Parts: sequence; structure tokens; C-alpha cells
Amino acid sequence: GENVEQHPSTLSVQEGDSAVIKCTYSDSASNYFPWYKQELGKRPQLIIDIRSNVGEKKDQRIAVTLNKTAKHFSLHITETQPEDSAVYFCAASIGNQFYFGTGTSLTVIP
Amino acid sequence: NAGVTQTPKFQVLKTGQSMTLQCAQDMNHEYMSWYRQDPGMGLRLIHYSVGAGITDQGEVPNGYNVSRSTTEDFPLRLLSAAPSQTSVYFCASTATGNQPQHFGDGTRLSIL
Repeated sequence: GENVEQHPSTLSVQEGDSAVIKCTYSDSASNYFPWYKQELGKRPQLIIDIRSNVGEKKDQRIAVTLNKTAKHFSLHITETQPEDSAVYFCAASIGNQFYFGTGTSLTVIP
Repeated sequence: NAGVTQTPKFQVLKTGQSMTLQCAQDMNHEYMSWYRQDPGMGLRLIHYSVGAGITDQGEVPNGYNVSRSTTEDFPLRLLSAAPSQTSVYFCASTATGNQPQHFGDGTRLSIL
């Protein structure tokens, strides 16, 4: 099956700086890559996604890039704010199944 | 619009007890999944379903059963609870395999 690796596991940045989280996947058949944000005690919520026919997607301060050749995709958060502090998960989808990374705990220091 | 509803939100069981975690969605999604979330291990797929009457095993299916008699409901059954099943359980649904998943609020389960 698919194997998704996510790095780093923890990340601390100063408010206003950028944060980058990277994921790799193993199966070239994966064709959909969502990113989820999970606040403490809450459900994961989708923040951005990208499909395999697109190399980059941006939504305000959040962007995702995908390199199909290298099988990696990254989440970029610019101008970080304290409310960005949460755990972020990447995922890769093949057919009916989603495979998740182990999460990155992001702390934005005011 | 309720989305994905999970019950109960919290549960404490004794080793050997059985119980059913309920999951219902009102978005007419064909695909539904159950995950468990443990510290440092992300979300791991237990079982999933691609439609009423069709279920399949995920990454960690042992000790769990599922059924899908209707499009809306996808219950997860713990047959004989073990302390290793202490976890947070999330149900999710999606229209297709390359669409966003919608998660329920989770069930926090402790097995003593």
C-alpha cells in the first residue's frame, strides 16, 4: 500500500515568518493530496488540496506544491499568526483510500 | 446541515466488553471510513466502505467489524475491547476518492 512520510514532526516559528511542511509518498498512482489542520480536541479540517494534474495551488496565505516526479508535496504558510498553531496532516489518495502522514505540530510564537 | 455525526463523544469500557460506535452522514456520500488516531501515529484506516453493502479492511482492522446497510450509516463494532484499542476514533465520508473527506467530531474511547 501507499506510504506517506511527513517532516518535521514539530515546528516552531516566530509570528510573521513562513512555515513549510514536507511530505513524500511512495505510490505513483496517488492522484489527490489534501492537507488537514487539527486543533487540540477537534476534528481534522481540510485547509487546501491539490490534484496530480496541478503543480501548485494557493489560497491566501496557504499554498501547496506537488512534484510528481520526485513524489513529494509541501505545505507553505506565509505570514504566520498565532491561530495557525495546530497539528497539520498531509494525505495521499489512491482510489477509495486515503493514507495520512504522522502530523506536524506547528507552534507560532507571538 | 449536520455533516458527519458520531456518537458517543466519550466512552469508557472494561476489557472484554463490546460496543458500537455510531457514524451517520447526511451528504449522500458513497465513501465512508473509520480511522483511529494515536499520538505520533497520525490517522490509521480501520475499515472503509464504497457504498451500501460493500466494506473492506484498511490498515488496522483486527478487533473491529463494520457493516453498511444504508448510505447514511456506518457503525464500527468492537468485538471484545482491549486496552490497545484506547484511542480517538474518527469517521469520515467523501463523495469520491479524490474529493475532500469530511470528518466527524470523534469518539474518545478508553479501555480499562
